[in-house]
Amino acid sequence: GAGVSQSPSNKVTEKGKDVELRCDPISGHTALYWYRQSLGQGLEFLIYFQGNSAPDKSGLPSDRFSAERTGGSVSTLTIQRTQQEDSAVYLCASSSTGMNTEAFFGQGTRLTVV
Amino acid sequence: AQSVTQLDSQVPVFEEAPVELRCNYSSSVSVYLFWYVQYPNQGLQLLLKYLSGSTLVESINGFEAEFNKSQTSFHLRKPSVHISDTAEYFCAVSDQNADRGSTLGRLYFGRGTQLTVWP
Repeated sequence: GAGVSQSPSNKVTEKGKDVELRCDPISGHTALYWYRQSLGQGLEFLIYFQGNSAPDKSGLPSDRFSAERTGGSVSTLTIQRTQQEDSAVYLCASSSTGMNTEAFFGQGTRLTVV
Repeated sequence: AQSVTQLDSQVPVFEEAPVELRCNYSSSVSVYLFWYVQYPNQGLQLLLKYLSGSTLVESINGFEAEFNKSQTSFHLRKPSVHISDTAEYFCAVSDQNADRGSTLGRLYFGRGTQLTVWP
């Protein structure tokens, strides 16, 4: 596609439920990143994929968080047993190889846990 | 691992005044450097980047940033700001890694600087 696509754009869920957030990167981009942005906070790194492997998953805040990437393309971030502190905007970005590389961000998924 | 410091969380300025948003990073290894901007209720957009070559890079809307390796800094400047420049600005760093070729690795972000331009 033309840009990084994230779905859903908004998600309201009850505390304790599981949620899945989806990211479709720009076609051909090998690197994929997940960040979250809370009100008044900066960008918190969650996980980074290079192809299908995740060389850096150090930012996942707890074992309730997991992410996978299949076929070197779509990625899913799963949050199990959601808590109110998980409420945030979850951002996905992708980047390509090449001399003019940069990371392109999606519009994010706003997650609200009630 | 890198850490990125944006020294000012809030920068209020009047229209047409000059502004500098400061960014320092922790490591002196080869890096790629970026400034992203987030306008109110919008997503992150790339403002400018340094990958190699000239240490002074410019954006299409009058911002510029200079890579200073000895100071490990990448400060963002604009000689005359407009009200429409009001936004949050994020500095980001990625380590260059020969094994990855020219692929970006993990991006480390600063906490952001809210620039507010008053009439």
